[in-house]
Amino acid sequence: NAGVTQTPKFQVLKTGQSMTLQCAQDMNHEYMSWYRQDPGMGLRLIHYSVGAGITDQGEVPNGYNVSRSTTEDFPLRLLSAAPSQTSVYFCASSEGARMETQYFGPGTRLLVL
Amino acid sequence: DAKTTQPPSMDCAEGRAANLPCNHSTISGNEYVYWYRQIHSQGPQYIIHGLKNNETNEMASLIITEDRKSSTLILPHATLRDTAVYYCIVPFNNNDMRFGAGTRLTVKP
Repeated sequence: NAGVTQTPKFQVLKTGQSMTLQCAQDMNHEYMSWYRQDPGMGLRLIHYSVGAGITDQGEVPNGYNVSRSTTEDFPLRLLSAAPSQTSVYFCASSEGARMETQYFGPGTRLLVL
Repeated sequence: DAKTTQPPSMDCAEGRAANLPCNHSTISGNEYVYWYRQIHSQGPQYIIHGLKNNETNEMASLIITEDRKSSTLILPHATLRDTAVYYCIVPFNNNDMRFGAGTRLTVKP
């Protein structure tokens, strides 16, 4: 199993551009989530999904959209990038709703100029 | 906001036990306590979780007080590779797991 994969590893955007961060898992996990981590800070939950077709907002959802059309994929879309969205983005998945063991991807480093 | 408080940093000598405290005074009866760690800038790694009984696995032990208002993660024989940020987490609901600032553990030779 590849586990949780994220692409790209690094991205530079200009203010106002849009882009999609990709996340995929091959463990048939129902639960998937997106976090952002700013320098020196803990992770903050952006959006999560408890299964295909179901998504919900976390702590900091503004400026981001998600969809879950398949169990495997959970892309995160930045609608109009802002410098405040410069961060490292982590995707995670777990088998059940209790998130007993979340598996994290390697992260995507995003720089918005 | 996280539902836990942890000291910002701790040091531990290599080979000694590392005891990382966590306060979660508002925890309710059916809420679990989870511990994760993040080594350098990698994705966080699950360590252990518990409800009311003490738990042990190959990585660590989790001691939860009887009133469940605090817990301690124990790494029995810390190594240099255990240097990381350790997060104690009580989820906001079954699906909303928020990480606080965590404790930066430095294991020294």
